[in-house]
Amino acid sequence: AQTVTQSQPEMSVQEAETVTLSCTYDTSESDYYLFWYKQPPSRQMILVIRQEAYKQQNATENRFSVNFQKAAKSFSLKISDSQLGDAAMYFCAYNSPTGSQGNLIFGKGTKLSVKP
Amino acid sequence: DSGVTQTPKHLITATGQRVTLRCSPRSGDLSVYWYQQSLDQGLQFLIQYYNGEERAKGNILERFSAQQFPDLHSELNLSSLELGDSALYFCASSVAAGGISGYTFGSGTRLTVV
Repeated sequence: AQTVTQSQPEMSVQEAETVTLSCTYDTSESDYYLFWYKQPPSRQMILVIRQEAYKQQNATENRFSVNFQKAAKSFSLKISDSQLGDAAMYFCAYNSPTGSQGNLIFGKGTKLSVKP
Repeated sequence: DSGVTQTPKHLITATGQRVTLRCSPRSGDLSVYWYQQSLDQGLQFLIQYYNGEERAKGNILERFSAQQFPDLHSELNLSSLELGDSALYFCASSVAAGGISGYTFGSGTRLTVV
């Protein structure tokens, strides 16, 4: 079974600085999708970024980018120019389109604090 | 507004009772997923429906059941409630069954069992 591990329960960053959140996963599949979701205090789950495993190019969405290392099964999220509104729980998630369960498997999350 | 509507937002009930959580997926989405989020277990997949049919089942207790109706809205029924069932219950939807474009989540229902 696939697993997702986020080894940093909490992280802190100064406003305008850059922070990287770590995520590793375990799978025997070659084709899959990875996601980062943000959950602010409002508790709404918001899709931040998506990566297709067969694409070598790292995904980027404005200030958010990923470092996808397929061989190492690593999928970290970099937030540049951090803003106060970035403070939230961040969840890494794995989705296998070929699995028997077409569902997202989430890590435990990393709580990001942004200091003014 | 994500387009996924969950009602009610908050629910407080006593042990042993039964409740129904409702979800309307984003327009055009055929797949509905239910997740339970608790502090100790994180986000746990419960069940998925696609176009009215059950497609996948996760860690869903026998006391829980769900269905998706012809208009694609879904209901999650929780019965014989226990204190440990207190959690945030999310509904999410996607266009395809595999959800490879990512899911759109509702704002959740906070269930408190007292």
